[in-house]
Amino acid sequence: GAGVSQSPRYKVAKRGQDVALRCDPISGHVSLFWYQQALGQGPEFLTYFQNEAQLDKSGLPSDRFFAERPEGSVSTLKIQRTQQEDSAVYLCASSLDYPRGDQPQHFGDGTRLSIL
Amino acid sequence: EDKVVQSPLSLVVHEGDTVTLNCSYEVTNFRSLLWYKQEKKAPTFLFMLTSSGIEKKSGRLSSILDKKELFSILNITATQTGDSAIYLCAVDDPGNTPLVFGKGTRLSVIA
Repeated sequence: GAGVSQSPRYKVAKRGQDVALRCDPISGHVSLFWYQQALGQGPEFLTYFQNEAQLDKSGLPSDRFFAERPEGSVSTLKIQRTQQEDSAVYLCASSLDYPRGDQPQHFGDGTRLSIL
Repeated sequence: EDKVVQSPLSLVVHEGDTVTLNCSYEVTNFRSLLWYKQEKKAPTFLFMLTSSGIEKKSGRLSSILDKKELFSILNITATQTGDSAIYLCAVDDPGNTPLVFGKGTRLSVIA
């Protein structure tokens, strides 16, 4: 597709449920990133993939958060046993090849997650 | 710890005004500074700056980086209501965190 595609756009879940958020990066982009954006804040880094390898997961807030990109294209962010503080917009971004350092990250529209 | 601070946090101007948004940073290994515009959806890329003193321009928007004083500015001339958005500054520190964002500046342009 032309841009980064995320689904669903909105997700409402009850506390304790598991959720899965999907990201389809720009075709040919090797690098993929997940960010969490709370209301009134800038995006905060969660994790980074280079192809299928998860090279950095230092931003994942707890072991309830898990991300994968098994074939080096589509990625899924999974949150287990959701809690109210997980409510946020989850943004996915991709770039051509992050280690080169000469291309920006391009963002999807995000998934707005609300935990009741 | 890497830090990016934007000012002001919010700004209201009239159409036709010129605005300057500020971004200062402290990072371990600076590689680039990026500006994004965020309306209701995805942050959209505006500029990537890597060298001091070289102005980047796109229409009414321009930006410049000062690596000695560790800041960047984003200028918007002849503002329009369509410029109303949150402007995000981010710094790339590849040895630490891929992008560290500031909290953003919320710009409102009124007719």
